[in-house]
Amino acid sequence: AQSVAQPEDQVNVAEGNPLTVKCTYSVSGNPYLFWYVQYPNRGLQFLLKYITGDNLVKGSYGFEAEFNKSQTSFHLKKPSALVSDSALYFCAVTPLEKSNYQLIWGAGTKLIIKP
Amino acid sequence: DVKVTQSSRYLVKRTGEKVFLECVQDMDHENMFWYRQDPGLGLRLIYFSYDVKMKEKGDIPEGYSVSREKKERFSLILESASTNQTSMYLCASSRPSGASYEQYFGPGTRLTVT
Repeated sequence: AQSVAQPEDQVNVAEGNPLTVKCTYSVSGNPYLFWYVQYPNRGLQFLLKYITGDNLVKGSYGFEAEFNKSQTSFHLKKPSALVSDSALYFCAVTPLEKSNYQLIWGAGTKLIIKP
Repeated sequence: DVKVTQSSRYLVKRTGEKVFLECVQDMDHENMFWYRQDPGLGLRLIYFSYDVKMKEKGDIPEGYSVSREKKERFSLILESASTNQTSMYLCASSRPSGASYEQYFGPGTRLTVT
């Protein structure tokens, strides 16, 4: 079965330190990959996506993600964390054979940035 | 900017009631989606629609129905609400075609069924 895994339910990082939120996937073909963020009491917001090309993609709020085809991973990173980055992060994948481009979602990772 | 609005932020209903959740988008998107979000389970697709009057079941359609009479509006209907439908419901829309197009989400409706 096709799936997306976010192996960490929660990630704790001190402000100013680099952060990584992990995502691995198991889908056939060459999927499109996405990261979304959900701030407290707000809807999901798109952060960034990988479609093709450079394996390192940059997105909103200083976030970037690295696509690794051999490891089927798409980890989210930021060089220096801010307290305001504390939120729930979701990785999502579109298998190209899915009708109308439905997304397969990870379970989410809660990111806590401590001052 | 794309704007997706949902009719209620919070809703409390009794078991057996018929519940309507409304979603409106203002960017002429053809694709619209209804998800439910539960802790530890991520987002699960209930239904989606790729055109007016067109719909397809997602992963968990049981107990739900949808209606799309106008392009900008996508309604989720709980025919007879049950306590296991207590959840956060998220509506989303996306551009007409292409997997590269990200989904835009509304603020969500937190539904409690008592």
